[in-house]
Amino acid sequence: DAMVIQNPRYQVTQFGKPVTLSCSQTLNHNVMYWYQQKSSQAPKLLFHYYDKDFNNEADTPDNFQSRRPNTSFCFLDIRSPGLGDAAMYLCATSLDPGATQYFGPGTRLLVL
Amino acid sequence: GESVGLHLPTLSVQEGDNSIINCAYSNSASDYFIWYKQESGKGPQFIIDIRSNMDKRQGQRVTVLLNKTVKHLSLQIAATQPGDSAVYFCAVRPNFGNEKLTFGTGTRLTIIP
Repeated sequence: DAMVIQNPRYQVTQFGKPVTLSCSQTLNHNVMYWYQQKSSQAPKLLFHYYDKDFNNEADTPDNFQSRRPNTSFCFLDIRSPGLGDAAMYLCATSLDPGATQYFGPGTRLLVL
Repeated sequence: GESVGLHLPTLSVQEGDNSIINCAYSNSASDYFIWYKQESGKGPQFIIDIRSNMDKRQGQRVTVLLNKTVKHLSLQIAATQPGDSAVYFCAVRPNFGNEKLTFGTGTRLTIIP
């Protein structure tokens, strides 16, 4: 089945230690998104790629970076995780900008 | 900008009853609306969507109603089951071609056996 896959599902890192979360999709969608979701809150968009074009949200901290080496994969890099970065990180894809977004299962990040 | 609210943060419904979850939005130019279901520890799952040229759309046990006059959206779930227990988010696209969605704050639906 076509889907959005996120690895790992759970990630534990140390304060200040760089961490990378990965997302892959078999939907061949043009747009990939990264969201941060904290407990009992709505997902918050960090950035998205439309093909190779990177679009950063104005309030996304510089600590968060992203890479999209090809259509199928997109990575979220957190350069120096702080305790406040502990959250669920959701990857989503859509065929085109403005089309329905389909979410992966998420990676729950714990920062010690 | 767009703000999206949900009228009730929590809702409890007896199994087998119908449930209605409401959502209000602020931008009259919004043209596309989606309901997502998020179970604990999982990503949001697409349930149903509706475009602004419609006022009602039905799926399996779910119906979405759109009232553009008062900028209100609702999700009706018929004959609720325990598996319907989850947080439900409405998401709104501010205007045609905009790739971003504005999410509501979510309603936690609990089905009482």
